[in-house]
Amino acid sequence: SQQGEEDPQALSIQEGENATMNCSYKTSINNLQWYRQNSGRGLVHLILIRSNEREKHSGRLRVTLDTSKKSSSLLITASRAADTASYFCATGGNNDMRFGAGTRLTVKP
Amino acid sequence: NAGVTQTPKFQVLKTGQSMTLQCAQDMNHEYMSWYRQDPGMGLRLIHYSVGAGITDQGEVPNGYNVSRSTTEDFPLRLLSAAPSQTSVYFCASRFHWAGELFFGEGSRLTVL
Repeated sequence: SQQGEEDPQALSIQEGENATMNCSYKTSINNLQWYRQNSGRGLVHLILIRSNEREKHSGRLRVTLDTSKKSSSLLITASRAADTASYFCATGGNNDMRFGAGTRLTVKP
Repeated sequence: NAGVTQTPKFQVLKTGQSMTLQCAQDMNHEYMSWYRQDPGMGLRLIHYSVGAGITDQGEVPNGYNVSRSTTEDFPLRLLSAAPSQTSVYFCASRFHWAGELFFGEGSRLTVL
């Protein structure tokens, strides 16, 4: 079964607004990663947060991790039309990495 | 660097045919994996390898075989294709077992 579950399944916002996506997972993890997928393309790594970290930033991205609740959030600030894509969280065990079903983000110009 | 290269990009098969999806990486990554992506299902892990000569099953291994004879290559074999294997297949690799994954551009397979 899939490890991570994203919420919401779809999100539509206006350019300039912030977008928040959530991820919940079931078992202990070493790290949690977020990926982006443009339509018809492969996934691209965005950010990795380790299990002993609570928050991490990268440009307009902010990721939080709450291991007690087994959840993470991805915040994209000041969104742009080019941010339109699907976003996936992935949790890493010892040797494999499992993905959730993703959040489809649409940013309207 | 080419990164992760998958071939073919598109393939149509008839039920019962066999084929191999090729995956090659030039980053000297020890870890490689295959995922399938279906609408509304996200990515599901088929098989993975932590190094040459070592493979293991993921979430949905049935109907697929893999081998890892070299560090660079990790082919995925469908021995007898079924319509349920219609999907987009992604190969990925990473240097460290806990590091970021690098993905190929995907192979879209249709089984009639």
